[in-house]
Amino acid sequence: DAGVIQSPRHEVTEMGQEVTLRCKPISGHDYLFWYRQTMMRGLELLIYFNNNVPIDDSGMPEDRFSAKMPNASFSTLKIQPSEPRDSAVYFCASSETPNYGYTFGSGTRLTVV
Amino acid sequence: GENVEQHPSTLSVQEGDSAVIKCTYSDSASNYFPWYKQELGKRPQLIIDIRSNVGEKKDQRIAVTLNKTAKHFSLHITETQPEDSAVYFCAASGGGADGLTFGKGTHLIIQP
Repeated sequence: DAGVIQSPRHEVTEMGQEVTLRCKPISGHDYLFWYRQTMMRGLELLIYFNNNVPIDDSGMPEDRFSAKMPNASFSTLKIQPSEPRDSAVYFCASSETPNYGYTFGSGTRLTVV
Repeated sequence: GENVEQHPSTLSVQEGDSAVIKCTYSDSASNYFPWYKQELGKRPQLIIDIRSNVGEKKDQRIAVTLNKTAKHFSLHITETQPEDSAVYFCAASGGGADGLTFGKGTHLIIQP
């Protein structure tokens, strides 16, 4: 298995633009998590899915953020409109259970200018 | 929800010495405690974990200890080497389907 695959690896965009981050989990992993990492706040859970259904989105910072999982092999995190304070590394992780054995993707480094 | 505190934020040790990183958690129902290592520009990777029915676990130069009564757990690295330099994160599960809550991380620096 190629592991959790995220794209793009780097994204630079202008304030106000729409940004879409993509994730392909490990096959057979029923749980998918989106995390945001910054120096100030560390690793923050934004949202997670179980069998493609959003379970907890309490970490999504505001309505500008949305996430979907249309099927078991693909998820997106969208920011519209983007702001400079959204600059961070966004990680996707998947696992077989909600609490055990997370495998992280390589992350997307987002810079909003 | 769960709250995980991690100390210190930065730890510098001489090569060959031991390093200890400590974490506390708030939810007494938490039962799973992993540690992740993140090298610069890389993804977090699981290095060791422990469940609440075990007090200590070792894997070569690394070990983790858990004190359920005090609600704290620690990572111990012996005979540190330059490749141990990284950021280390502890985490705890809330006992339910809440996912993992991570500490803020410890930047471990191994001095030659």
